[in-house]
Amino acid sequence: SQKIEQNSEALNIQEGKTATLTCNYTNYSPAYLQWYRQDPGRGPVFLLLIRENEKEKRKERLKVTFDTTLKQSLFHITASQPADSATYLCALAPQGSWGKLQFGAGTQVVVTP
Amino acid sequence: EPEVTQTPSHQVTQMGQEVILRCVPISNHLYFYWYRQILGQKVEFLVSFYNNEISEKSEIFDDQFSVERPDGSNFTLKIRSTKLEDSAMYFCASTSPGSQGTQYFGPGTRLLVL
Repeated sequence: SQKIEQNSEALNIQEGKTATLTCNYTNYSPAYLQWYRQDPGRGPVFLLLIRENEKEKRKERLKVTFDTTLKQSLFHITASQPADSATYLCALAPQGSWGKLQFGAGTQVVVTP
Repeated sequence: EPEVTQTPSHQVTQMGQEVILRCVPISNHLYFYWYRQILGQKVEFLVSFYNNEISEKSEIFDDQFSVERPDGSNFTLKIRSTKLEDSAMYFCASTSPGSQGTQYFGPGTRLLVL
């Protein structure tokens, strides 16, 4: 069966450090992978999309890598700030069903001053 | 910046009652979705809608659920006879052609079935 796995334990880091989150998947052949941010009681907010032929993508302090051989994506927040505290969700769509996003359970990030 | 809106923000209903959750997607978007998130669990896909018909639906989206785009702006999710296990946050999302699946989510409706 298809699975998307993210670290279930919260990641506690100090302001200014880099947070690294992992997303592993099985039984998908995704054309792309997405990362979303979710604050408590709110809807997911799109952050980054990386295609299967891209190794790395950056947006401001965010960086995503995508290794289709390892079936893994890493999500980095550099120079983290307390405002980065949220749950970060990895999302994939099955091949041929690009709109049917399937989400991992998310990893909570807590950035302390 | 355009955004997806949803009403109501909270809805409390009795088991067996019908509820209609409303969404106004971003105006130039053509693909619409409903997801749900039970407290403490993953965001789960329910249904996708394009060109006035359902494109895909999950196993969760059984005969108790229906979707409609009654006019040019609203997109609704109806639950015909609510069950306790329907209590969840319901998110509407939309996307434009060529966005490669990037979806824009609304703030959600928290549904509580008593």
